[in-house]
Amino acid sequence: KQEVTQIPAALSVPEGENLVLNCSFTDSAIYNLQWFRQDPGKGLTSLLLIQSSQREQTSGRLNASLDKSSGRSTLYIAASQPGDSATYLCAVDRNDYKLSFGAGTTVTVRA
Amino acid sequence: EPEVTQTPSHQVTQMGQEVILRCVPISNHLYFYWYRQILGQKVEFLVSFYNNEISEKSEIFDDQFSVERPDGSNFTLKIRSTKLEDSAMYFCASNRVPGANVLTFGAGSRLTVL
Repeated sequence: KQEVTQIPAALSVPEGENLVLNCSFTDSAIYNLQWFRQDPGKGLTSLLLIQSSQREQTSGRLNASLDKSSGRSTLYIAASQPGDSATYLCAVDRNDYKLSFGAGTTVTVRA
Repeated sequence: EPEVTQTPSHQVTQMGQEVILRCVPISNHLYFYWYRQILGQKVEFLVSFYNNEISEKSEIFDDQFSVERPDGSNFTLKIRSTKLEDSAMYFCASNRVPGANVLTFGAGSRLTVL
């Protein structure tokens, strides 16, 4: 069974600092990995999708890396802003029609 | 940008009552899903649906749950006899091709069972 772990559970940084969010998974036979953002009481917004053949994916200030062999992904958010405050979830797809989610990292960016 | 739409946004029901949660997936998507998130816990997969049948379901998705695509646009989740532990946020999601495309989620339906 795929287990997905996210460390740290919570993070508080001053505005402008870079954020580093970690995700690890136990079964390296994945098809892709997706990072989501969740605002309190809201749905999930997809940020980045990394296919298993890729090493990284970038979108604006966001960059996600994937090391499938070691079962790790890292989401970097450059020059954080208060609007980046949210919970960030990673989810792993084994190409079996379902995602396995981590518990998330709750980020607070202080103005 | 196309959205997955869910109704109701919040439903309160008495234990033992039937509940139907509704979703309108993105129009050109072929695969549909239900996930749930109990307060403070991980998002959990419930069921996937393609070509009018269930592709995969989790252990959570027992006989109390059913899904249906009653017409060309709606996708529903029915809980036959709700229990207190069914209280959660239920998310509908859809995509065109599993694995190749991002999974687009709706805003969720919060179910409170009293």
